[in-house]
Amino acid sequence: NAGVTQTPKFQVLKTGQSMTLQCAQDMNHNSMYWYRQDPGMGLRLIYYSASEGTTDKGEVPNGYNVSRLNKREFSLRLESAAPSQTSVYFCASSESGGTFYNEQFFGPGTRLTVL
Amino acid sequence: RKEVEQDPGPFNVPEGATVAFNCTYSNSASQSFFWYRQDCRKEPKLLMSVYSSGNEDGRFTAQLNRASQYISLLIRDSKLSDSATYLCVVNREGYSTLTFGKGTMLLVSP
Repeated sequence: NAGVTQTPKFQVLKTGQSMTLQCAQDMNHNSMYWYRQDPGMGLRLIYYSASEGTTDKGEVPNGYNVSRLNKREFSLRLESAAPSQTSVYFCASSESGGTFYNEQFFGPGTRLTVL
Repeated sequence: RKEVEQDPGPFNVPEGATVAFNCTYSNSASQSFFWYRQDCRKEPKLLMSVYSSGNEDGRFTAQLNRASQYISLLIRDSKLSDSATYLCVVNREGYSTLTFGKGTMLLVSP
């Protein structure tokens, strides 16, 4: 089992460019999440998908869109990248959201720099 | 008051020391509590869940005080390999999501 995989691992964009971050999990989890982590800010939730076919905004959704392609895959799209979106992006999955003691498993992260 | 607050540290301790991390949360309706560990430039990983009665896993002990909205993590006999950032995590009432504290960095030296 690979767990949660993310591509790419690193990316440099110019302001205004677009890109999609890919995430896949092989644990048959229902819920998937996208976070960003910035120095001094901790992990902040961008979007999540409680189950296949649903997506919801998190704490910092502006400038992002998501697609839950199927149960395994959850992508994050930056339509017009801005320097403020320079960050480390983590995808995570869990068996289901809202359940007591429900562990989230994280991917290795994508380090994105927007110039 | 922020949803989850932790002392940012860093905590510098020698090998073998006992170290305690504290965390407070603002939502009295929160029901799920965790400690995650994050190594430098790596993803967070679950260290342990925190149960109402308190729980222990080897050298690690977690405690929950609902009345004070306070969570703690105690590490006994610190090892070099314990050097990491420890994240306090709480569920958000009404949401199927978690809120992460900013983390407390621990540096264990020989």
